[in-house]
Amino acid sequence: SQTIHQWPATLVQPVGSPLSLECTVEGTSNPNLYWYRQAAGRGLQLLFYSVGIGQISSEVPQNLSASRPQDRQFILSSKKLLLSDSGFYLCAGTIAYNEQFFGPGTRLTVL
Amino acid sequence: EDQVTQSPEALRLQEGESSSLNCSYTVSGLRGLFWYRQDPGKGPEFLFTLYSAGEEKEKERLKATLTKKESFLHITAPKPEDSATYLCAVLSGGQNFVFGPGTRLSVLP
Repeated sequence: SQTIHQWPATLVQPVGSPLSLECTVEGTSNPNLYWYRQAAGRGLQLLFYSVGIGQISSEVPQNLSASRPQDRQFILSSKKLLLSDSGFYLCAGTIAYNEQFFGPGTRLTVL
Repeated sequence: EDQVTQSPEALRLQEGESSSLNCSYTVSGLRGLFWYRQDPGKGPEFLFTLYSAGEEKEKERLKATLTKKESFLHITAPKPEDSATYLCAVLSGGQNFVFGPGTRLSVLP
């Protein structure tokens, strides 16, 4: 079965600092990968998705970026964090557009 | 534009008190409707996929049904461990999943 690993689990960063969140996939090849952000008590907002190495689509204009350097690695980055970047970040994958499998998430607090 | 709404926003039940959660959707060509359970501070956990109107899926105390405009998640004789947020998502002609805001379920002993 497929498993998504995310780290770190929690992160507290000052405004203006850089960010790098990593997601790795185990148990499958060629997944579609997604980054979501979830505000408290809200649904999932799609940030980026990728159908393959080096292929990134952005859904929401923001100061975040994503990269997929390897088939099973997906990275979310920022050069300068804003207060509004605080939230719960989830990485997800899917095979052939079946159900998504999610990682455990990263709680980011920007102070 | 694909849209998903869920109701109620929050639901409080006594243990054993059955109820239903609603997911209403507007999509251009439904490829799948998905139900997830999410515990606080964790990633969503997959429950069911429904593909066509009339389809039903069951798992323990949960049963999901689908019509052309909405889906219901029926919870029969719930237990406190069923307390969680239940998310509904749809996949249409594109490559992205659109999620609803979720229903927060609390089951009191």
